[in-house]
Amino acid sequence: SQTIHQWPATLVQPVGSPLSLECTVEGTSNPNLYWYRQAAGRGLQLLFYSVGIGQISSEVPQNLSASRPQDRQFILSSKKLLLSDSGFYLCAWSPIRSGGLDTQYFGPGTRLTVL
Amino acid sequence: AQTVTQSQPEMSVQEAETVTLSCTYDTSENNYYLFWYKQPPSRQMILVIRQEAYKQQNATENRFSVNFQKAAKSFSLKISDSQLGDTAMYFCAFMQNSGGSNYKLTFGKGTLLTVNP
Repeated sequence: SQTIHQWPATLVQPVGSPLSLECTVEGTSNPNLYWYRQAAGRGLQLLFYSVGIGQISSEVPQNLSASRPQDRQFILSSKKLLLSDSGFYLCAWSPIRSGGLDTQYFGPGTRLTVL
Repeated sequence: AQTVTQSQPEMSVQEAETVTLSCTYDTSENNYYLFWYKQPPSRQMILVIRQEAYKQQNATENRFSVNFQKAAKSFSLKISDSQLGDTAMYFCAFMQNSGGSNYKLTFGKGTLLTVNP
């Protein structure tokens, strides 16, 4: 069966510091990968998605970036955090199937607080 | 742009009773999927149920079922025999092809369901 991991689970960082959040998927190959952010009391906002190694698409312009160095690894980064980057970050994966529509499965999330 | 509307910010139900959560969406596409996700206090997003737009039959998963009205663009979730563990935020979500290889999930703002003993 497939599992998705995220770490760290919780992170408190000062404004202006760098960020690296990691997501890995087990039990599948060549998944689509996604990064979402959930602000307090809101739904999810898609930040980035990737259909393969080195292929990243951005949905929302911001000071965050994403990378996919390996097939099942997805990293969310920032060089300098802003207060507005605080939130709950969720990674998700979906299988690549003919037609493309399929379920996205979410990881446990990372709670980021920028002070 | 696609939108998903959940008009009930909060709902409550007594244990063992039935509750229905509402969701409407807006699209001009014919091929799409609809989902209900559950987010308990742990905040992990858990899939509850999925409905493919091309299927006329409403999806069911144990105590969870949907009422999919394609013409009305309505997708409600019915929870039967509510349990305390059903207490969570419930998100309605919509997926269609947004161009190229992007199959974007658009979420509603959620309904907080509380199951009371």
